[in-house]
Amino acid sequence: GENVEQHPSTLSVQEGDSAVIKCTYSDSASNYFPWYKQELGKGPQLIIDIRSNVGEKKDQRIAVTLNKTAKHFSLHITETQPEDSAVYFCAASIRTGNQFYFGTGTSLTVIP
Amino acid sequence: DAGVIQSPRHEVTEMGQEVTLRCKPISGHNSLFWYRQTMMRGLELLIYFNNNVPIDDSGMPEDRFSAKMPNASFSTLKIQPSEPRDSAVYFCASSLQVAGLDTQYFGPGTRLTVL
Repeated sequence: GENVEQHPSTLSVQEGDSAVIKCTYSDSASNYFPWYKQELGKGPQLIIDIRSNVGEKKDQRIAVTLNKTAKHFSLHITETQPEDSAVYFCAASIRTGNQFYFGTGTSLTVIP
Repeated sequence: DAGVIQSPRHEVTEMGQEVTLRCKPISGHNSLFWYRQTMMRGLELLIYFNNNVPIDDSGMPEDRFSAKMPNASFSTLKIQPSEPRDSAVYFCASSLQVAGLDTQYFGPGTRLTVL
């Protein structure tokens, strides 16, 4: 089955700096890669996703890049704000309707 | 849209008791997933349904765990008997199984404590 690894497990940045979280996957058949943000006491919420036919996607301060050859994808958050502090999860999925394979999460702290 | 609804939000029970967690998926969604989250193991998929039919229950840890989806708008996860190691946050998620619309939407979770 698919194996998703996520790094780093914890990340602290100064407010206004950028944060980068990286994930690798093992199954070249994976074609959908969502990112979730989980705040304390809440369920994971989708923040951005990318499909294998796209190399990069951006939504305001958040961007995701995908390298299919190397089987890795990354989340980039620019101009970080304290409200960006949360746990972020990457995931990979092989096909529509199938299960997601989640990374182990990155705890991001943005220091004011 | 109300999103995925889970109940109860918190459950405290004693070892040996039966626990039933409930989930109402987003209206129109046809896939439903049950996850367990712990510090040690992260997010684990327990079981998922497509069109109310269980597709993969390989993540269900033991026979003590069972899940049902009697109709498109309701699912339950039951633990009988419960044990302290079952203490975790249980999430339900739903999605629409259509090409290009795989996104799973999570509920707020049920925090289960087994004493």
